[in-house]
Amino acid sequence: EAGVAQSPRYKIIEKRQSVAFWCNPISGHATLYWYQQILGQGPKLLIQFQNNGVVDDSQLPKDRFSAERLKGVDSTLKIQPAKLEDSAVYLCASSDNRGSYNEQFFGPGTRLTVL
Amino acid sequence: AQSVTQLGSHVSVSEGALVLLRCNYSSSVPPYLFWYVQYPNQGLQLLLKYTSAATLVKGINGFEAEFKKSETSFHLTKPSAHMSDAAEYFCAVNPYGGATNKLIFGTGTLLAVQP
Repeated sequence: EAGVAQSPRYKIIEKRQSVAFWCNPISGHATLYWYQQILGQGPKLLIQFQNNGVVDDSQLPKDRFSAERLKGVDSTLKIQPAKLEDSAVYLCASSDNRGSYNEQFFGPGTRLTVL
Repeated sequence: AQSVTQLGSHVSVSEGALVLLRCNYSSSVPPYLFWYVQYPNQGLQLLLKYTSAATLVKGINGFEAEFKKSETSFHLTKPSAHMSDAAEYFCAVNPYGGATNKLIFGTGTLLAVQP
């Protein structure tokens, strides 16, 4: 089966600009996650969707970050305006809902550099 | 608070030598524990997981890990390192006993394999 797709793979922007990342999860996976991975750190969950509803966005900086999953399939993460400290890899993951714990499958990530 | 500590941000071994990557966790309930591997410019791939069954868990590529409750540890081992094992390894905990899918990641250990 096809894996989690993300685009673009790389993005370089100036601070105060806006940027958007796209994620298409594995077909049939109801749960979608966005993580931020800063260099030298482990991934940190930004937001979790169940279908098109938000389950957890407690670590999303809502003054500048937004995410949507309007039709319960693909998702977009936006940063506006970007700051230098937003430079990171943004990982998308998805999982199904069949068991009590469901493995997360990760995409290749989008590497964002803010200058 | 629940957390994961990985001792040693960089580990270097010779090809054919034992690989030992250390992970300690804190959790108020019996945790689910995971090891992920990340190759350059790729997403995270699940190596193995502990979900309260056998304490010695075998994963892909010859890796295994042992859950030791008394030591709150889940160290990753491989008897003989291969050049292709060079990557970054992340330990992660689901501190809710699988009740949710949330993962908390450690800061990662970069494994170098010398010829």
